[in-house]
Amino acid sequence: KQEVTQIPAALSVPEGENLVLNCSFTDSAIYNLQWFRQDPGKGLTSLLLIQSSQREQTSGRLNASLDKSSGRSTLYIAASQPGDSATYLCAVRGDGGATNKLIFGTGTLLAVQP
Amino acid sequence: DTEVTQTPKHLVMGMTNKKSLKCEQHMGHRAMYWYKQKAKKPPELMFVYSYEKLSINESVPSRFSPECPNSSLLNLHLHALQPEDSALYLCASSQDSGGSGANVLTFGAGSRLTVL
Repeated sequence: KQEVTQIPAALSVPEGENLVLNCSFTDSAIYNLQWFRQDPGKGLTSLLLIQSSQREQTSGRLNASLDKSSGRSTLYIAASQPGDSATYLCAVRGDGGATNKLIFGTGTLLAVQP
Repeated sequence: DTEVTQTPKHLVMGMTNKKSLKCEQHMGHRAMYWYKQKAKKPPELMFVYSYEKLSINESVPSRFSPECPNSSLLNLHLHALQPEDSALYLCASSQDSGGSGANVLTFGAGSRLTVL
């Protein structure tokens, strides 16, 4: 059974810092990995999607990497801003299944202090 | 229109009530999903509809009854719920339910349910 873990569970940084969020998964047979952002009490916003054949994806100040063989992904946020404060979730889609079923990680709660 | 709209945003119901959550998208997506999220926990998949047919039921209790009347609408009918069913219910949609690389899930803002 696929298990997805994120560390740290919570992170507080001063504005302007670069930071890295980690995601690990137990079954490397994944189809893709997606990073989401969730503001308190709100829905999820998709940030980046990495296919299993890709090593990284970039969008603005965000860069996500994927090392499928070791079961790891990182989300790098450059020059953090208070508006980046949210919970960040990674989710993997298992390979071999016909259905787009995502397994979510435990999340990292990020607070960027002004 | 690139949104998934969920109504109501908040719902309080007693254990004997019958209520429904609604989800709507007009992106032409043919797969729609219900997720349940407890406080400080990740979302957990409940149901997947593909081309208006139920394709996945993650062993959800029968007091939750999904319905997909057409390709744009997804309902979740609630009956005889328990207080532990209180959670944020998230609806999502994607182009289809298959393995296409472009198959990103778009989530709604959620319906926060409280069962008294």
